[in-house]
Amino acid sequence: GAVVSQHPSRVICKSGTSVKIECRSLDFQATTMFWYRQFPKKSLMLMATSNEGSKATYEQGVEKDKFLINHASLTLSTLTVTSAHPEDSSFYICGGTGETNEKLFFGSGTQLSVL
Amino acid sequence: DAKTTQPTSMDCAEGRAANLPCNHSTISGNEYVYWYRQIHSQGPQYIIHGLKNNETNEMASLIITEDRKSSTLILPHATLRDTAVYYCIVRVVGTGGFKTIFGAGTRLFVKA
Repeated sequence: GAVVSQHPSRVICKSGTSVKIECRSLDFQATTMFWYRQFPKKSLMLMATSNEGSKATYEQGVEKDKFLINHASLTLSTLTVTSAHPEDSSFYICGGTGETNEKLFFGSGTQLSVL
Repeated sequence: DAKTTQPTSMDCAEGRAANLPCNHSTISGNEYVYWYRQIHSQGPQYIIHGLKNNETNEMASLIITEDRKSSTLILPHATLRDTAVYYCIVRVVGTGGFKTIFGAGTRLFVKA
């Protein structure tokens, strides 16, 4: 199956700093990228939907100025958690799909811990 | 909101078939049924998907009822490595950036 490479897999940062998470589609063009966050023992919660070259569409309750999403190319999307606080600590996952939106492939996730 | 309901957890003996049900009674005509699984601290792994016909691949079989209101994922010979959370999702295929919403999933325990 197609591969979505997500980095870093784990990051620890101080409160107030910003963290960037990258997702690259290695063997397909990711027209759309979904970004999720997941708390322990909970399901994935959709944060935003990003289409290449367009502004991301954020779900209700997700601050767009805090979670900056860039999807400038068909192979790279980034999520930047700005001015991170301990409550932003979570598992963040990206999922990419191509033009037909038939297959959706996920990255391996990033565990963010904010001290 | 998620459009699927699944049992919270299920057990299965190693080597036996695991049958995971999913209810999607409000599915629309243009929505496909997808199954993913997630092993602890990893991203979801694609298993299989279908519209109305039954599907089979090297990992599993997907049985969709004729009215499409429910489906069953079958792992024919479960192994310990199949222990995971299994998510049944309905989503639209096609351009438009349609959302993909996860429900709570079923936690499958495969026991030796």
